[in-house]
Amino acid sequence: GQNIDQPTEMTATEGAIVQINCTYQTSGFNGLFWYQQHAGEAPTFLSYNVLDGLEEKGRFSSFLSRSKGYSYLLLKELQMKDSASYLCAAMDSNYQLIWGAGTKLIIKP
Amino acid sequence: EAQVTQNPRYLITVTGKKLTVTCSQNMNHEYMSWYRQDPGLGLRQIYYSMNVEVTDKGDVPEGYKVSRKEKRNFPLILESPSPNQTSLYFCASSYKDGIAYEQYFGPGTRLTVT
Repeated sequence: GQNIDQPTEMTATEGAIVQINCTYQTSGFNGLFWYQQHAGEAPTFLSYNVLDGLEEKGRFSSFLSRSKGYSYLLLKELQMKDSASYLCAAMDSNYQLIWGAGTKLIIKP
Repeated sequence: EAQVTQNPRYLITVTGKKLTVTCSQNMNHEYMSWYRQDPGLGLRQIYYSMNVEVTDKGDVPEGYKVSRKEKRNFPLILESPSPNQTSLYFCASSYKDGIAYEQYFGPGTRLTVT
């Protein structure tokens, strides 16, 4: 079956760095997405990886290892506004997204 | 402004009373999709549409209907709502060309069925 695993909740301190991991199993693979979702709001796109390696975008970076079925989202210089849920989603061979349940990130001052 | 709109944003209804949640996008996207989001379960796809007059079932289609008569609109219909359809619903759209199928989400519709 198809499956996405990511931690349910993580806590970090303002100004620090946090890494949110995601492992996936899909029928075929056409890329890995990360979305941010603040409480009560819609998800918004953060990143897309289809090739192995690290993609950096400001304070956020996303890494992919296709051979390991593994990705992570790295958030640097954490700010209070980064408190949100982070959703990992893998695209299968039919271009359908398989979503993880999300990781709730709590930032403490 | 490029956006996906949904109406209503909040709805409380009773079991069995038919309802429609509208979704509209102004980005000329071919692909549109409906999700429901429940605590601990993440986003689950209900139906999706690759283009006008083309719709397909997602992971949890039971109890829902959709139609795609125009490119911009993709309404979600609950013919006979039940309490287990109480959820937060999102409509989303995206292009289907290129390799990065970023989805744009509507603001969500919080539905309560009593």
